[in-house]
Amino acid sequence: DAKTTQPPSMDCAEGRAANLPCNHSTISGNEYVYWYRQIHSQGPQYIIHGLKNNETNEMASLIITEDRKSSTLILPHATLRDTAVYYCIVRGGAAGGTSYGKLTFGQGTILTVHP
Amino acid sequence: DGGITQSPKYLFRKEGQNVTLSCEQNLNHDAMYWYRQDPGQGLRLIYYSQIVNDFQKGDIAEGYSVSREKKESFPLTVTSAQKNPTAFYLCASSIESGMWSGANVLTFGAGSRLTVL
Repeated sequence: DAKTTQPPSMDCAEGRAANLPCNHSTISGNEYVYWYRQIHSQGPQYIIHGLKNNETNEMASLIITEDRKSSTLILPHATLRDTAVYYCIVRGGAAGGTSYGKLTFGQGTILTVHP
Repeated sequence: DGGITQSPKYLFRKEGQNVTLSCEQNLNHDAMYWYRQDPGQGLRLIYYSQIVNDFQKGDIAEGYSVSREKKESFPLTVTSAQKNPTAFYLCASSIESGMWSGANVLTFGAGSRLTVL
């Protein structure tokens, strides 16, 4: 799986957009970009994923650059409850490969939303 | 509601004892996973299972064992051979198939916190 690089921490004011970057310069053609978040002492929660196109759901938007070497997770109107560790993960889509079924979580970005 | 249930939420164990953590899912997912998380760290994969009666070692399988006798259940045993068992353990599941070639979204349980005294 491609390695990802995220800033260790970020701050955001409540009500403003939170833009969390992720670099994945070694991503290959069949690898998806996933975002999860983990609130303290809870299990990670899936947010969004994408392959090539930008994606949006009720939680967030995912912007993937044209060369797919980086992406940004956008929380459009951050709230205090969005304070969490955000993980960017890249993983292949081919069945039977050595990375089949596995998501590798790095240390993520600690997002702190303040009043 | 569909989901993953892990038990117990908190567990204390003496050194030299084996302990089994339970993970049950009613999502009809084929694949299940166990991760370990240490303070301030990301998640590390211990074992995963794509189908019943089959499982594979992850990155840190030493000192752990699993079984997958039923689709819904994937218990993890932390044996006395595990040198530093104190950690937060997370179970997850996902839809998988032998012909899978798309995205793989994991659903996680709430976790089990094991402390060795």
